[in-house]
Amino acid sequence: DVKVTQSSRYLVKRTGEKVFLECVQDMDHENMFWYRQDPGLGLRLIYFSYDVKMKEKGDIPEGYSVSREKKERFSLILESASTNQTSMYLCASTQQGLIYGYTFGSGTRLTVV
Amino acid sequence: DQQVKQNSPSLSVQEGRISILNCDYTNSMFDYFLWYKKYPAEGPTFLISISSIKDKNEDGRFTVFLNKSAKHLSLHIVPSQPGDSAVYFCAASASGGSYIPTFGRGTSLIVHP
Repeated sequence: DVKVTQSSRYLVKRTGEKVFLECVQDMDHENMFWYRQDPGLGLRLIYFSYDVKMKEKGDIPEGYSVSREKKERFSLILESASTNQTSMYLCASTQQGLIYGYTFGSGTRLTVV
Repeated sequence: DQQVKQNSPSLSVQEGRISILNCDYTNSMFDYFLWYKKYPAEGPTFLISISSIKDKNEDGRFTVFLNKSAKHLSLHIVPSQPGDSAVYFCAASASGGSYIPTFGRGTSLIVHP
């Protein structure tokens, strides 16, 4: 069964901490994405990557960075966590050129206190 | 400005009846439309899609209708079951562009037994 795995289901971090959210896919997909989901705001794209070492800003990149050193792994980094980054974070991947083949991870519920 | 709008944040339906979830879009370049279903504490899962060359696509109890002139699509679930209770996201993408889907804000469907 193909999978996108997010390393943590729940995280609680303090304001100002550096936070790493990890995502691994086993489908050899070229494209990987980070979204956040907030009530009433839907899914908003933070960053995405078409290839190793490549990254592109999404709609709301401020306060975030990403790293893709290997094809299967895409990390989201909160350089200095703030309370407004409390959210559900979702990682997704898709094969190059496929516009319907998003596979999402189960999500990480991050709370910044 | 929202390019994909789901104007009903929530919908309540009796088991066995039809559920109709609506979605409007503004970008005429969108030519591929998708519906995702999301349970709490899980990632979204792909449900059904439709290309702009069609006006209807059916998969079991789920049917998506596309009205290009009105820039409107709808998801019909017949008959509705309690297990269909979830948040449904409409998404649209442009195959001639980056193809990355733009998501609506979601509609929370509750199916009462």
